[in-house]
Amino acid sequence: RKEVEQDPGPFNVPEGATVAFNCTYSNSASQSFFWYRQDCRKEPKLLMSVYSSGNEDGRFTAQLNRASQYISLLIRDSKLSDSATYLCVVNLGTGGFKTIFGAGTRLFVKA
Amino acid sequence: DTGVSQDPRHKITKRGQNVTFRCDPISEHNRLYWYRQTLGQGPEFLTYFQNEAQLEKSRLLSDRFSAERPKGSFSTLEIQRTEQGDSAMYLCASRGRSDTQYFGPGTRLTVL
Repeated sequence: RKEVEQDPGPFNVPEGATVAFNCTYSNSASQSFFWYRQDCRKEPKLLMSVYSSGNEDGRFTAQLNRASQYISLLIRDSKLSDSATYLCVVNLGTGGFKTIFGAGTRLFVKA
Repeated sequence: DTGVSQDPRHKITKRGQNVTFRCDPISEHNRLYWYRQTLGQGPEFLTYFQNEAQLEKSRLLSDRFSAERPKGSFSTLEIQRTEQGDSAMYLCASRGRSDTQYFGPGTRLTVL
């Protein structure tokens, strides 16, 4: 079993749609959680951190369920520019010595 | 541009040759990571430095791979006796006090 699992997609949605991505992690010692965005042939960039209380940044909402070892990302009112691969990321242990990335979920937003 | 630079951006080499990549992190960041990414996969953790100390090393990092960060600033990743399976994007990331990692543009290695 992979340490961080994501549905690879692709998700094909029209502009304005709401889309949700899920991610599960296997190591209960995981300490911190993130969503990164990666455009084609570019480096990953932080989209948002994920907190136990849930957090929102504009059209993006992230949630963490430690009991189920599950992370989610919700994108509302999708834009063409949201088309990218979304990577679920988990840090193991304090200080983030080891960082595990999921394989990513591809999103295509169409006009 | 995140402020993390990597050199070279592309490297084509023949099987059996040695290659070395360089990463220059954001200047005030004392933590530095190396990852390898292949098509359709997320970045795979290779190794982690805090200042000049290499504190974590993945089992993916075989004896042919070595990384250094001699003065706690830039880092190098060397691959000896390259194999076709080493073809990938090699990413470097740096981190300061927060948990956010800032990635460089990567070095794309092709082994013929």
